Parts: sequence; C-alpha cells; structure tokens
Amino acid sequence: AQKVTQAQTEISVVEKEDVTLDCVYETRDTTYYLFWYKQPPSGELVFLIRRNSFDEQNEISGRYSWNFQKSTSSFNFTITASQVVDSAVYFCALTPDSGSARQLTFGSGTQLTVLP
Amino acid sequence: EAQVTQNPRYLITVTGKKLTVTCSQNMNHEYMSWYRQDPGLGLRQIYYSMNVEVTDKGDVPEGYKVSRKEKRNFPLILESPSPNQTSLYFCASSWTLAGDTQYFGPGTRLTVL
Repeated sequence: AQKVTQAQTEISVVEKEDVTLDCVYETRDTTYYLFWYKQPPSGELVFLIRRNSFDEQNEISGRYSWNFQKSTSSFNFTITASQVVDSAVYFCALTPDSGSARQLTFGSGTQLTVLP
Repeated sequence: EAQVTQNPRYLITVTGKKLTVTCSQNMNHEYMSWYRQDPGLGLRQIYYSMNVEVTDKGDVPEGYKVSRKEKRNFPLILESPSPNQTSLYFCASSWTLAGDTQYFGPGTRLTVL
C-alpha cells in the first residue's frame, strides 16, 4: 500500500520569506512517480511538477525548487521569496510506475498563507 | 485548448434525488478518474476507468456509479445522494496512469441537504 504524508497542515509566512513544504512517502514499488499540485482559493488543481524515482536531481523552476531524497523517502518543495499569490493548498502525490497503477495517492495537503 | 470539463460546477440538492455530474476531456486520454476532496483528507479516488467500458472501484465507491461509453466522457452518478456525499468532486484524465500527469477538471461542489 502507498502512503503520502504532509505533516504540515498549515503554514503562515510573511511575503518574501522562503518556505519549505514537506512530503514523505511510503511505497513498496521500486519505481514510481511523485507529483506536486497547487490548489489556489479558486479551487482548481494546478499541476506543478512530476518526478520519476530514477531521477534524484533537484529541480528549480523560477522561485520553486524541489528536493527529492530517495534515502529518506521525501520530496520537499521550497518557494523562495514567497508572494501573496502563492497562498494555496499544496498537495503531494504518488503513483507506481507500472501497469498495475490505478490511482494517484494524495497527501492531505498543506495550506500555505503568505501575508503581505 | 486541451481541457477537462465538469458540469455543473455547483449543485445543491436534497437527499435521495438522483443526480449526474458530467466529465468530458478533449485530449483522447484513455484513463479517467473521479476523486472527492474533503477537509483534512486530501483527494480520495471514487472510481476510475482504464478505457471505454472498463471501469473499477477506487477507495470510496459506495453510493456512486460511473459509466464509460465513450472515450471522452465519464459521468459520475449518485442514485440516492446522502448528506455524507457533500464534497468537492474532481474528474481527472491522463494517457494512461503509470507515471502520466493527470489533468484535473475545475471541480464540482456538491451539497446534499
């Protein structure tokens, strides 16, 4: 069985601070994919990143960066110089990389509030 | 524009009155799925479909039905809604599932009184 844990239920920061959202996962699969989605107050789910378990390189996209550590089963997400528009719920998710995959397993989400 | 659409976006209904939430995608994706989102629980899968006429239960299928008669459409049916089905529902699609990015519809907020 798979499991994704986002232990931080809510985080509040002041604009321009850096913030890291934690994601820890459990899986028996040897290969898998990890995702991050953003859910702004408007409610839609916005895809942010997809990472294969083979690729342990960190990734940076503008103010966003992701730190994948297979040894600790973590896939943390950092926002640098946060902005009010970053306020949203962020979900981490996991799926096996195999034909037996049937669903994305989501964490419970982290509500990020960026204060002006 | 590639997209997943859901209708209606908002619905208030009463216990026991059958309803259908439609989902359609224009990307020729094989895989489609329904999730419900509840506070503190993240998203939980209700049903999924690997292709036309192929559907299966997810983690929380009780009280729901689906059908996949055409590749682009995957309606969610609540035959006799109850208040515990009050939730935010998302439809998603992808080429397959193993590692493909799922694209989500805008969500349907359902309230059952």
